[in-house]
Amino acid sequence: QPVLTQSSSASASLGSSVTLTCTLTSGHSNYIIAWHQQQPGKAPRYLMKQGSGFYNKGSGVPDRFSGSSSGADRYLTISNLQSEDEADYYCGTWDSNSWVFGGGTKLTVL
Amino acid sequence: EVQLVESGGGLVQPGGSLRLSCAASGFTFTSYSMNWVRQAPGKGLEWVAFITSSSNNIYYADSVKGRFTISRDNAKNSLYLQMNSLRADDTGVYYCARADDFWGQGTLVTVSS
Repeated sequence: QPVLTQSSSASASLGSSVTLTCTLTSGHSNYIIAWHQQQPGKAPRYLMKQGSGFYNKGSGVPDRFSGSSSGADRYLTISNLQSEDEADYYCGTWDSNSWVFGGGTKLTVL
Repeated sequence: EVQLVESGGGLVQPGGSLRLSCAASGFTFTSYSMNWVRQAPGKGLEWVAFITSSSNNIYYADSVKGRFTISRDNAKNSLYLQMNSLRADDTGVYYCARADDFWGQGTLVTVSS
C-alpha cells in the first residue's frame, strides 16, 4: 500500500506563491493523486487530480491553483496567495481497496 | 448543484450504535462509488469505508472492520453507515464523499460516557 508524505507546515506571504509537496513511496511513483483543501472549521474541498504529466482541476477551482509532478513527487502550487488559501491541504490516492491520505500540510498566509 | 448532506451524528455511550445517512442530489447517484471518511478532533483525514455504485464491492478500514457497515439505497439517492460497538476513538466528524471528488459538510459523532 502506498504511503503519502507531506510536510506538516508551510508559510508564505500574501500575494506570493507557494508549492506544497506530496511524495509517494517507492514503487508507487505512477499513482494518480488528488489534492483536497480544508479551510478552518470547514469540510474538505476537492481541488484537482494529478498524475505524471497532467492535472485536472475540479469545478470552480481558481486558476491560481496548479499541479505538476516529478517522479514520485506531486506538487501543488498556489500563486498570488490570498488569505482564504490559509488551510490544511491533503493529498490522497487509491490503492486496490482503500483510500490513503497524507498527513496534511498546514499552510499559513503571512 | 451537487450536494451531499450528512445526518445522524450525535452523542453516544461507548458500546452503543449510531446510523449515519448521506442524502445525495445534483448528480446521477447510481453512477458513482461512495465513501465515508472521518476526522478525529485536531487530526487528519481517515478513510472509513467504500461502496461501489451497485454495492457489489465493499471495503473497510481495519479500524472499523466487523463493527461498521456501509450501504446505499440507489432508489433514495442515499448512503448509510451503521456503526456498532462504538469506542471513544471513533469520535470525530464523519464525511460522505462522492468517489474522491466531492465532500459533504460532515456530521459529528461523539462517543463518551
